[in-house]
Amino acid sequence: DQQVKQNSPSLSVQEGRISILNCDYTNSMFDYFLWYKKYPAEGPTFLISISSIKDKNEDGRFTVFLNKSAKHLSLHIVPSQPGDSAVYFCAAHTGTASKLTFGTGTRLQVTL
Amino acid sequence: DVKVTQSSRYLVKRTGEKVFLECVQDMDHENMFWYRQDPGLGLRLIYFSYDVKMKEKGDIPEGYSVSREKKERFSLILESASTNQTSMYLCASSPSRRAYNEQFFGPGTRLTVL
Repeated sequence: DQQVKQNSPSLSVQEGRISILNCDYTNSMFDYFLWYKKYPAEGPTFLISISSIKDKNEDGRFTVFLNKSAKHLSLHIVPSQPGDSAVYFCAAHTGTASKLTFGTGTRLQVTL
Repeated sequence: DVKVTQSSRYLVKRTGEKVFLECVQDMDHENMFWYRQDPGLGLRLIYFSYDVKMKEKGDIPEGYSVSREKKERFSLILESASTNQTSMYLCASSPSRRAYNEQFFGPGTRLTVL
C-alpha cells in the first residue's frame, strides 16, 4: 500500500520557467513532509520541509505548499535552472517512529 | 558536515553468496537506516536502528538482516544473495528518535547479483 504517491514519473520544463512537482499521501498521521533531491550515483540530499501545521514554506527558489484537506503537497521551483535536473522524492514523517516514507520519485529535466 | 560513508560504490556478487554492506556515520547520530532504490518504486525501507544492538524491520525486510554493534556503524547482510536483490542500496542516519529530524544519506552501493 503506497502511502506517499508521486503520480508523475517525469517532468520537463524550460530554463527560467516554474517547475511544479506534486505528491499525494493517504496517512493523516504524517506530521512532517520533506523533499529530497537525488543526482545519479549520489545519495539523496535534503531540500526543504514543511510541518503539518503550516501550509507554505519558502527557501530561496524553492517553495513547498501543503493542502491537508486534500492530502496533497507540491514543490515549486522558480526560476528553474539546468542544475535542478534530478530526481525529486517527497517523503513523509511519522512523529513516533522517526521513520520516513518516500514517494516513487519524479525525474525533472530542465531544458535550455 | 555530516558524513555518511558506504564501504563500496559498486559490488558484483553471485547468487547464493553472503553479502555485507557497511555504513559508517561520523556525527554520533542515534538512528540509522537501510533503503533500497528501484526504478518506479522509490526508496523502500529495509531495516532501521535507534541504538546499538537494536533493530527494527522496515517495509521489506525479507532476505536481509542487519547488525549494529557500534553506534557509528550499521551493516546490512544478505544471507544468500538472489538476483531480485540487485538494486541501489542507500544508508542514512538522523540525530534522534525523539523528534522530527531529517535523514542524511550516503552515496549508495550499486549491487548486482548474477
